[in-house]
Amino acid sequence: KAGVTQTPRYLIKTRGQQVTLSCSPISGHRSVSWYQQTPGQGLQFLFEYFSETQRNKGNFPGRFSGRQFSNSRSEMNVSTLELGDSALYLCASSLRYEQYFGPGTRLTVT
Amino acid sequence: GIQVEQSPPDLILQEGANSTLRCNFSDSVNNLQWFHQNPWGQLINLFYIPSGTKQNGRLSATTVATERYSLLYISSSQTTDSGVYFCAVERGADGLTFGKGTHLIIQP
Repeated sequence: KAGVTQTPRYLIKTRGQQVTLSCSPISGHRSVSWYQQTPGQGLQFLFEYFSETQRNKGNFPGRFSGRQFSNSRSEMNVSTLELGDSALYLCASSLRYEQYFGPGTRLTVT
Repeated sequence: GIQVEQSPPDLILQEGANSTLRCNFSDSVNNLQWFHQNPWGQLINLFYIPSGTKQNGRLSATTVATERYSLLYISSSQTTDSGVYFCAVERGADGLTFGKGTHLIIQP
């Protein structure tokens, strides 16, 4: 089975812009979660989607949003980018509990 | 929320040595996973182990759920074992909570 894929792998944006990241889960997995990794805060949970519904959300501002499509693919959007949003964004998919991660999208905000 | 503490934060060993990494967590969990993060940032699944003991080659893990800790054992270390090892737990469907990781360096 193909693993979790994320696009793009690298992205450079300017403060104030918005960005959309994409994640395709492992075939058959209906749950998709997003995480942010920064040197200062480590790995933090953003949100989880299951069957096109947001099931849980971490402690992030409303500028961070996401959605899931009927084929389980997911996108996350960050609006009004800030320098502190520079991070590695990781997507994970799961069938039940065990989560499998994609390679990540490295976002740099200048 | 649930707290996860990993120790030691840093570990430097010679090739061939054995090591034990520890993960303490503050509440009961339904999911506990160990990951190895490679230099490119990918989190590689090592074990899904909310309780019990598992082995995979030179790696093994034990979780004692009643005492809220998990151990990852690496035997006969190789330089390719270098990297950051994360423990992550989940309670209910709250998303994974990660520890700060153990940065392991294996010297030839």
